[in-house]
Amino acid sequence: AQSVSQHNHHVILSEAASLELGCNYSYGGTVNLFWYVQYPGQHLQLLLKYFSGDPLVKGIKGFEAEFIKSKFSFNLRKPSVQWSDTAEYFCAVNARDGGSQGNLIFGKGTKLSVKP
Amino acid sequence: DSGVTQTPKHLITATGQRVTLRCSPRSGDLSVYWYQQSLDQGLQFLIQYYNGEERAKGNILERFSAQQFPDLHSELNLSSLELGDSALYFCASSARTGPVGDTQYFGPGTRLTVL
Repeated sequence: AQSVSQHNHHVILSEAASLELGCNYSYGGTVNLFWYVQYPGQHLQLLLKYFSGDPLVKGIKGFEAEFIKSKFSFNLRKPSVQWSDTAEYFCAVNARDGGSQGNLIFGKGTKLSVKP
Repeated sequence: DSGVTQTPKHLITATGQRVTLRCSPRSGDLSVYWYQQSLDQGLQFLIQYYNGEERAKGNILERFSAQQFPDLHSELNLSSLELGDSALYFCASSARTGPVGDTQYFGPGTRLTVL
C-alpha cells in the first residue's frame, strides 16, 4: 500500500529564512507527486506537481520541489519565506500504474508558521 | 478559486441524523473525488466517480454513500451520524480518471459538526 511521510509536524521560521519540508513516499511503482497548500480557513491549493521529466519542478509563489527517485523523496523548498506563507503544506502521491484510479494519498501535513 | 463548488459551507446536525453534501466539478471535468479531513486521521480518500460511475473506493464507511448525476455534480450522503463523523469534507475534480498526468482541484469544503 502507498503511504506518505512528512517529517515535520510544525516548522517555525522567521521571515527571509530558507525553507525545506521533507516528504517521503512508500510505493514500489511509478508515482505522480504533488504539494498542496492550505491557508488558514481555506481549501487546498496546488503548489506544484511532478509527473515526469526534469525532477526539479517549480511551482507558484517561488516554491520548488525536487524528486529524488532513489530516496523516494519529494522535498519542498523556498529560498526566502514570507509571513504570507504561513499555512499547512501537504505532500501527496498517486500511482501511475494500473493499481490506482488516481486517488491521492496524503501525508499528515506540516504546519508552517512564519514570524514577521 | 479552483472552479469546484461545494455546498453547504457549514453543517451542524445531531447524532443519528442524515445529511447530503453537494459538489459541482470544474467545467469539463469528469472525475469527482471525495476526501475527509479530520484532526486524527488527516486527509483520507473516500470515493471517486467518473462520468457517473463509481471508479474507486477508499476508507468510506458503509453509512456513507455517494453518486454522480448526469450533469456531473456529485452528492455525498452521510447517515446515522456519529460524533466522530465531524470533519471537513472536500470534493476534488479532475479532467479524466486514472493516474496519467491528471491534476485534482479542490473545492472549499463542507465543515460538518455532529453534536
